[in-house]
Amino acid sequence: EAGVAQSPRYKIIEKRQSVAFWCNPISGHATLYWYQQILGQGPKLLIQFQNNGVVDDSQLPKDRFSAERLKGVDSTLKIQPAKLEDSAVYLCASSPSLAYTEAFFGQGTRLTVV
Amino acid sequence: GENVEQHPSTLSVQEGDSAVIKCTYSDSASNYFPWYKQELGKRPQLIIDIRSNVGEKKDQRIAVTLNKTAKHFSLHITETQPEDSAVYFCAASMTTGRRALTFGSGTRLQVQP
Repeated sequence: EAGVAQSPRYKIIEKRQSVAFWCNPISGHATLYWYQQILGQGPKLLIQFQNNGVVDDSQLPKDRFSAERLKGVDSTLKIQPAKLEDSAVYLCASSPSLAYTEAFFGQGTRLTVV
Repeated sequence: GENVEQHPSTLSVQEGDSAVIKCTYSDSASNYFPWYKQELGKRPQLIIDIRSNVGEKKDQRIAVTLNKTAKHFSLHITETQPEDSAVYFCAASMTTGRRALTFGSGTRLQVQP
């Protein structure tokens, strides 16, 4: 079974620039998560989708972060404008449904804001 | 919301020794507790999980225990090997109510040959 795909793997941008990350979940997985993992910390949930609807975005900094999953499959996460503290690994994860407890993670996108 | 604390932040053991990592959680409604292993530059991968209806679960050299009353759970690795070296994360979630995983801060385990 193919895993969760993310791109790009690495991105370096200057502060105040914008950036977008892409995630393709495991085929058939209805639930999709974006996590932010700052160096030395555990992943922190940014947003959770069920199909193309948002289940939880309470920790998403909505003044600069946005995410969408228009057709209930692929998802994009955008940051505009980026700040130095946004430097982190952005992990996408998916699971078959909200009732399925295991989350399958992608390799992540490492963002460096300079 | 849920808060998960994890200790220690780093752990160094000799090959063949046991390693124990402990986590506490704040929300008594949490009922699912997985452990993820993350090697350097790689994705977190589930190694074992436990649900609130059991107190202990084993899978070969790894085991997890859960104390619901005290709201803490632990990962036990016996007969450690160098390939066990990685960062381990505990997490908690609620299967009803559809709440996503809340992770601890991680434990860097180093197994010395």
